[in-house]
Amino acid sequence: AQTVTQSQPEMSVQEAETVTLSCTYDTSESDYYLFWYKQPPSRQMILVIRQEAYKQQNATENRFSVNFQKAAKSFSLKISDSQLGDAAMYFCAYRSKRTYKYIFGTGTRLKVLA
Amino acid sequence: GAGVSQTPSNKVTEKGKYVELRCDPISGHTALYWYRQSLGQGPEFLIYFQGTGAADDSGLPNDRFFAVRPEGSVSTLKIQRTERGDSAVYLCASSLSGGVTDTQYFGPGTRLTVL
Repeated sequence: AQTVTQSQPEMSVQEAETVTLSCTYDTSESDYYLFWYKQPPSRQMILVIRQEAYKQQNATENRFSVNFQKAAKSFSLKISDSQLGDAAMYFCAYRSKRTYKYIFGTGTRLKVLA
Repeated sequence: GAGVSQTPSNKVTEKGKYVELRCDPISGHTALYWYRQSLGQGPEFLIYFQGTGAADDSGLPNDRFFAVRPEGSVSTLKIQRTERGDSAVYLCASSLSGGVTDTQYFGPGTRLTVL
């Protein structure tokens, strides 16, 4: 069975600085997608970034980028120029191409300090 | 257009009661997911609908949980004989067709408290 692990329950970053959130996963499959979702206090989850396992190039969306290490089964999220609005829970998620099921990690709470 | 909506936003019930939680997906989205999020945890998959049919209900914890989507739009999650362990936030998400490159859009969730 696939699993997703986020070992950092909480992280803090100064406004305008850079922070990296860690995620590792376990799977025996070769074709899958990985995601980072943001959940602000309003509870509404928002997709931050998506990475296909077959793509070597790391995904980037504005201030958000990932470091995808397929062999190590690691998928970290880097947030550059952190803003107060980035404060939220961040969840890493996995989905096999063969199924519809998403598997989420336990989340990392990000605090942004002014 | 409107996003995914869920009603009620909060539901308090007593142990043993029956509850229904409703999800209105984005118009035109054929794929619909239900998740359960317990305190301090990530969302846990419950069931996936493609149109009117449940394509994957492997996440439903037991036969007290049931979900329907009779017309392929609104979905209702039904919980019979509620237990205190059912207390959680129930999230609904929809996507255009369920493809892995489709973006899931989440609703704000229903917080269920079983006393």
